[in-house]
Amino acid sequence: GAGVSQSPSNKVTEKGKDVELRCDPISGHTALYWYRQRLGQGLEFLIYFQGNSAPDKSGLPSDRFSAERTGESVSTLTIQRTQQEDSAVYLCASRSTGGPDGYTFGSGTRLTVV
Amino acid sequence: GNSVTQMEGPVTLSEEAFLTINCTYTATGYPSLFWYVQYPGEGLQLLLKATKADDKGSNKGFEATYRKETTSFHLEKGSVQVSDSAVYFCALRFGGANSKLTFGKGITLSVRP
Repeated sequence: GAGVSQSPSNKVTEKGKDVELRCDPISGHTALYWYRQRLGQGLEFLIYFQGNSAPDKSGLPSDRFSAERTGESVSTLTIQRTQQEDSAVYLCASRSTGGPDGYTFGSGTRLTVV
Repeated sequence: GNSVTQMEGPVTLSEEAFLTINCTYTATGYPSLFWYVQYPGEGLQLLLKATKADDKGSNKGFEATYRKETTSFHLEKGSVQVSDSAVYFCALRFGGANSKLTFGKGITLSVRP
Protein backbone atom coordinates (compact mmCIF):
# COMPACT_ATOMS: atom_id res chain seq x y z
CA GLY A 1 0.00 0.00 0.00
CA ALA A 2 0.87 3.67 -0.03
CA GLY A 3 1.77 3.84 3.63
CA VAL A 4 2.23 1.81 6.78
CA SER A 5 -1.13 0.64 8.02
CA GLN A 6 -1.82 -0.30 11.64
CA SER A 7 -4.88 -1.87 13.13
CA PRO A 8 -6.84 -1.40 15.20
CA SER A 9 -6.39 2.34 15.61
CA ASN A 10 -7.79 2.14 19.12
CA LYS A 11 -8.10 -0.79 21.49
CA VAL A 12 -9.54 -0.88 24.98
CA THR A 13 -8.98 -4.11 26.86
CA GLU A 14 -9.41 -5.43 30.35
CA LYS A 15 -6.39 -6.08 32.51
CA GLY A 16 -5.22 -9.66 32.13
CA LYS A 17 -6.50 -10.12 28.58
CA ASP A 18 -4.26 -10.74 25.58
CA VAL A 19 -4.14 -8.30 22.67
CA GLU A 20 -2.77 -8.50 19.16
CA LEU A 21 -1.73 -5.46 17.18
CA ARG A 22 -1.18 -5.56 13.46
CA CYS A 23 1.17 -3.72 11.14
CA ASP A 24 1.11 -3.77 7.34
CA PRO A 25 4.35 -2.22 6.09
CA ILE A 26 4.93 -0.65 2.74
CA SER A 27 5.29 -3.32 0.10
CA GLY A 28 8.95 -4.13 -0.49
CA HIS A 29 10.18 -2.62 2.76
CA THR A 30 12.49 -5.18 4.30
CA ALA A 31 12.99 -3.52 7.68
CA LEU A 32 10.18 -3.22 10.21
CA TYR A 33 10.26 -1.66 13.69
CA TRP A 34 7.89 -1.54 16.63
CA TYR A 35 8.00 1.34 19.10
CA ARG A 36 5.71 2.41 21.88
CA GLN A 37 5.01 5.76 23.42
CA ARG A 38 3.59 5.96 26.90
CA LEU A 39 2.03 9.19 28.06
CA GLY A 40 4.67 11.86 28.60
CA GLN A 41 7.47 9.59 27.43
CA GLY A 42 9.57 9.33 24.32
CA LEU A 43 9.29 6.55 21.81
CA GLU A 44 10.68 3.31 23.21
CA PHE A 45 12.18 0.81 20.80
CA LEU A 46 10.62 -2.64 21.12
CA ILE A 47 11.71 -4.92 18.28
CA TYR A 48 13.23 -4.81 14.80
CA PHE A 49 12.86 -7.22 11.87
CA GLN A 50 15.20 -7.21 8.89
CA GLY A 51 14.41 -9.65 6.12
CA ASN A 52 15.08 -13.23 7.16
CA SER A 53 17.57 -12.31 9.87
CA ALA A 54 16.87 -13.03 13.52
CA PRO A 55 14.91 -10.09 14.96
CA ASP A 56 16.45 -7.68 17.43
CA LYS A 57 14.23 -8.16 20.47
CA SER A 58 16.36 -6.15 22.85
CA GLY A 59 13.65 -3.58 23.55
CA LEU A 60 10.84 -5.92 24.56
CA PRO A 61 10.05 -4.99 28.18
CA SER A 62 9.00 -8.44 29.39
CA ASP A 63 8.23 -11.97 28.21
CA ARG A 64 4.57 -10.97 27.94
CA PHE A 65 5.54 -9.16 24.75
CA SER A 66 6.24 -10.98 21.51
CA ALA A 67 6.17 -10.15 17.84
CA GLU A 68 6.23 -12.03 14.59
CA ARG A 69 6.68 -11.16 11.00
CA THR A 70 5.96 -13.35 8.01
CA GLY A 71 8.64 -12.78 5.41
CA GLU A 72 8.61 -9.15 4.43
CA SER A 73 4.94 -8.55 5.04
CA VAL A 74 2.61 -8.25 7.97
CA SER A 75 3.83 -8.12 11.55
CA THR A 76 1.84 -8.75 14.71
CA LEU A 77 2.76 -7.58 18.19
CA THR A 78 1.16 -9.64 20.94
CA ILE A 79 0.87 -8.60 24.55
CA GLN A 80 -0.23 -11.33 26.92
CA ARG A 81 -1.92 -10.77 30.28
CA THR A 82 -2.04 -7.02 29.73
CA GLN A 83 -1.27 -4.66 32.59
CA GLN A 84 -2.26 -1.03 33.04
CA GLU A 85 1.33 0.06 32.41
CA ASP A 86 1.04 -1.40 28.92
CA SER A 87 -1.30 1.46 28.00
CA ALA A 88 0.46 3.39 25.25
CA VAL A 89 0.47 4.20 21.58
CA TYR A 90 2.18 1.39 19.69
CA LEU A 91 3.88 2.56 16.52
CA CYS A 92 5.12 0.53 13.60
CA ALA A 93 7.63 1.77 11.03
CA SER A 94 9.19 0.30 7.94
CA ARG A 95 11.95 1.23 5.55
CA SER A 96 13.50 -0.11 2.42
CA THR A 97 17.06 -1.39 2.62
CA GLY A 98 19.13 0.87 0.46
CA GLY A 99 16.27 3.31 0.14
CA PRO A 100 16.14 6.89 1.32
CA ASP A 101 17.09 7.34 4.93
CA GLY A 102 14.18 7.64 7.29
CA TYR A 103 11.46 5.39 8.46
CA THR A 104 7.84 5.52 7.35
CA PHE A 105 5.63 5.32 10.41
CA GLY A 106 2.07 4.20 10.74
CA SER A 107 -0.47 6.22 12.70
CA GLY A 108 -0.24 3.85 15.62
CA THR A 109 -2.56 1.80 17.80
CA ARG A 110 -3.70 3.45 21.00
CA LEU A 111 -3.99 0.71 23.62
CA THR A 112 -5.83 1.37 26.85
CA VAL A 113 -5.83 -1.28 29.56
CA VAL A 114 -8.59 -0.81 32.10
CA GLY B 1 23.29 4.52 27.54
CA ASN B 2 22.34 6.76 24.66
CA SER B 3 19.59 9.27 25.27
CA VAL B 4 17.95 12.34 23.80
CA THR B 5 16.63 15.24 25.87
CA GLN B 6 14.15 17.73 24.49
CA MET B 7 12.95 20.94 26.05
CA GLU B 8 9.67 20.77 27.93
CA GLY B 9 6.53 21.72 26.09
CA PRO B 10 4.06 22.55 24.83
CA VAL B 11 5.12 25.58 22.84
CA THR B 12 2.61 28.10 21.53
CA LEU B 13 3.66 30.79 19.06
CA SER B 14 2.00 33.35 16.85
CA GLU B 15 2.31 33.00 13.10
CA GLU B 16 5.58 34.38 11.71
CA ALA B 17 7.34 34.08 15.06
CA PHE B 18 10.85 32.61 15.31
CA LEU B 19 11.03 29.04 16.54
CA THR B 20 13.73 27.24 18.49
CA ILE B 21 13.22 23.76 19.89
CA ASN B 22 16.15 22.52 21.93
CA CYS B 23 17.57 19.03 21.69
CA THR B 24 20.65 17.64 23.38
CA TYR B 25 21.96 14.11 23.38
CA THR B 26 24.10 11.82 25.47
CA ALA B 27 26.04 9.21 23.59
CA THR B 28 29.37 7.48 23.37
CA GLY B 29 30.70 8.46 19.99
CA TYR B 30 29.11 10.44 17.21
CA PRO B 31 25.64 9.40 16.19
CA SER B 32 23.53 10.56 13.30
CA LEU B 33 20.88 13.03 14.42
CA PHE B 34 17.32 13.48 13.22
CA TRP B 35 14.19 15.53 13.63
CA TYR B 36 10.88 13.79 13.01
CA VAL B 37 7.50 15.54 12.85
CA GLN B 38 4.02 14.18 13.47
CA TYR B 39 1.18 16.26 12.05
CA PRO B 40 -2.29 15.76 13.54
CA GLY B 41 -3.76 12.42 12.49
CA GLU B 42 -0.64 11.34 10.61
CA GLY B 43 2.38 9.10 11.27
CA LEU B 44 5.80 10.41 12.17
CA GLN B 45 7.86 11.50 9.21
CA LEU B 46 11.45 12.52 8.77
CA LEU B 47 11.90 16.27 8.74
CA LEU B 48 15.67 16.59 8.49
CA LYS B 49 18.90 14.90 9.50
CA ALA B 50 22.63 15.42 9.96
CA THR B 51 25.19 12.65 10.00
CA LYS B 52 28.36 14.34 11.23
CA ALA B 53 29.56 17.27 13.27
CA ASP B 54 28.88 20.73 11.83
CA ASP B 55 26.46 19.34 9.25
CA LYS B 56 23.29 21.35 8.84
CA GLY B 57 20.05 19.60 7.98
CA SER B 58 17.29 21.64 6.39
CA ASN B 59 13.80 21.10 5.04
CA LYS B 60 10.58 23.12 4.73
CA GLY B 61 12.29 26.19 6.19
CA PHE B 62 13.49 24.29 9.26
CA GLU B 63 17.18 23.96 10.07
CA ALA B 64 19.28 22.17 12.66
CA THR B 65 23.06 22.08 13.04
CA TYR B 66 24.95 19.17 14.56
CA ARG B 67 27.04 20.70 17.35
CA LYS B 68 29.52 18.20 18.70
CA GLU B 69 30.96 20.55 21.30
CA THR B 70 27.58 21.10 22.94
CA THR B 71 26.07 17.72 21.92
CA SER B 72 23.08 19.57 20.55
CA PHE B 73 20.83 19.57 17.50
CA HIS B 74 18.42 22.45 18.05
CA LEU B 75 15.62 22.93 15.54
CA GLU B 76 14.97 26.44 14.21
CA LYS B 77 12.63 28.17 11.81
CA GLY B 78 12.62 31.85 11.07
CA SER B 79 8.90 32.30 10.54
CA VAL B 80 6.43 29.64 11.60
CA GLN B 81 3.09 29.00 9.98
CA VAL B 82 -0.14 27.58 11.34
CA SER B 83 0.55 24.48 9.25
CA ASP B 84 3.70 23.83 11.30
CA SER B 85 1.54 22.89 14.29
CA ALA B 86 2.64 19.35 15.12
CA VAL B 87 4.65 17.21 17.51
CA TYR B 88 8.42 17.33 16.94
CA PHE B 89 10.75 14.51 17.96
CA CYS B 90 14.54 14.62 18.12
CA ALA B 91 16.32 11.29 17.62
CA LEU B 92 19.76 9.74 17.30
CA ARG B 93 21.08 6.63 15.65
CA PHE B 94 24.34 4.74 15.67
CA GLY B 95 25.30 2.48 12.86
CA GLY B 96 23.77 2.08 9.45
CA ALA B 97 20.40 3.13 8.18
CA ASN B 98 18.72 -0.02 9.49
CA SER B 99 19.85 0.57 13.06
CA LYS B 100 17.24 1.60 15.58
CA LEU B 101 16.49 5.19 16.47
CA THR B 102 16.53 6.54 20.02
CA PHE B 103 13.90 9.26 20.42
CA GLY B 104 13.29 12.14 22.76
CA LYS B 105 9.90 12.71 24.39
CA GLY B 106 8.64 15.00 21.67
CA ILE B 107 7.28 18.50 21.98
CA THR B 108 3.96 19.87 20.81
CA LEU B 109 4.05 23.10 18.82
CA SER B 110 0.88 25.11 18.30
CA VAL B 111 0.94 28.13 16.01
CA ARG B 112 -1.84 30.72 16.31
CA PRO B 113 -3.03 32.68 13.28
